[in-house]
Amino acid sequence: GQNIDQPTEMTATEGAIVQINCTYQTSGFNGLFWYQQHAGEAPTFLSYNVLDGLEEKGRFSSFLSRSKGYSYLLLKELQMKDSASYLCASLDSNYQLIWGAGTKLIIKP
Amino acid sequence: ETGVTQTPRHLVMGMTNKKSLKCEQHLGHNAMYWYKQSAKKPLELMFVYNFKEQTENNSVPSRFSPECPNSSHLFLHLHTLQPEDSALYLCASSQTSGTFYEQYFGPGTRLTVT
Repeated sequence: GQNIDQPTEMTATEGAIVQINCTYQTSGFNGLFWYQQHAGEAPTFLSYNVLDGLEEKGRFSSFLSRSKGYSYLLLKELQMKDSASYLCASLDSNYQLIWGAGTKLIIKP
Repeated sequence: ETGVTQTPRHLVMGMTNKKSLKCEQHLGHNAMYWYKQSAKKPLELMFVYNFKEQTENNSVPSRFSPECPNSSHLFLHLHTLQPEDSALYLCASSQTSGTFYEQYFGPGTRLTVT
């Protein structure tokens, strides 16, 4: 079967660093996406990894290990506006996105 | 603004009503998607259209009927819905050629079935 696992909720402090993990098992693999979704809004694209390693984009970085079926999203210098849900999604062999349930990140002052 | 618009943003309907959701994308993409998002659940893919042709129907009940008149417009026709159909309905679009398949989402329609 196809499965994406990520923690349901995490809490972090403003200014700190947080790592959100995602493990995936899908029929084929064509890349791993991370999206951010603020409450009541549409998901917006954050990152895409298809090769192993770390991709850095400002305060956000995303890591992929294809052999381990594992990815993480690293958020640095947390700001209150980073409070949101973070969705992990794997692109399967049919180029369809298989979604995790999302990790709700709560930032405290 | 992501270039994908959806109307209405909120909809309350009775179980015997018929209504339609509309989605329009201004990004020149060839694929459009309907998703259902319920609280604490993964996004559920409902329908996929590629170049106006339906390529995916994930065992969606017939009370949901999609329509894609062209690559820029997508509709979801609703009739005799059930209370468990209450959810956020998201439309998305993407390219399906090349090496990048990022999906752009509209703001969603919050549907409540009474």
